[in-house]
Amino acid sequence: GAVVSQHPSRVICKSGTSVKIECRSLDFQATTMFWYRQFPKQSLMLMATSNEGSKATYEQGVEKDKFLINHASLTLSTLTVTSAHPEDSSFYICSARELAGVYEQYFGPGTRLTVT
Amino acid sequence: QKEVEQNSGPLSVPEGAIASLNCTYSDRGSQSFFWYRQYSGKSPELIMFIYSNGDKEDGRFTAQLNKASQYVSLLIRDSQPSDSATYLCAVFPQYNNNDMRFGAGTRLTVKP
Repeated sequence: GAVVSQHPSRVICKSGTSVKIECRSLDFQATTMFWYRQFPKQSLMLMATSNEGSKATYEQGVEKDKFLINHASLTLSTLTVTSAHPEDSSFYICSARELAGVYEQYFGPGTRLTVT
Repeated sequence: QKEVEQNSGPLSVPEGAIASLNCTYSDRGSQSFFWYRQYSGKSPELIMFIYSNGDKEDGRFTAQLNKASQYVSLLIRDSQPSDSATYLCAVFPQYNNNDMRFGAGTRLTVKP
């Protein structure tokens, strides 16, 4: 299957700082990338959908000014958590859909963010 | 009604048995259905996808789709302890072919 990487895998930051998470499709081009958040023992929650070269579409309740998403190329999307607070601590997972594929989505390994 | 519903479990089966995981969805026009496996602390891994009514087999896994009943299932034959994980059902609803909708997942435990 297609490979999606995320960096960093784990990050600890202080409250009020910003954190950038990178998501890359390594062996395919991704027209669409998705960002999810998952709290312990809960299901995936879609935060936003981004298409290369255009603005991200955010799910209801997700602050676009707090969670900045950039999808600058067909292989890279970034999520920046601005002015992070302890309640932003979560497991952030990106997913990418292959350009030539139908609907299969492949997930990155996730980034565990802890805000102290 | 949730868009994608799964029994949260836990579902416990003995090693070597068949594990049956079920999922129902609300959008009758949905066309694409996926099963992901998620180990604790890890991200989901795609196991299978199915588009047509009937069964689709891949190794020890069989996905079954019944669009009339809006039901999709995953059978795991010869279950192994390494199959212990949360299994997520995902559907592309007809009204929005861009966003996959996930069920809450069923936690499976295979006991040696």
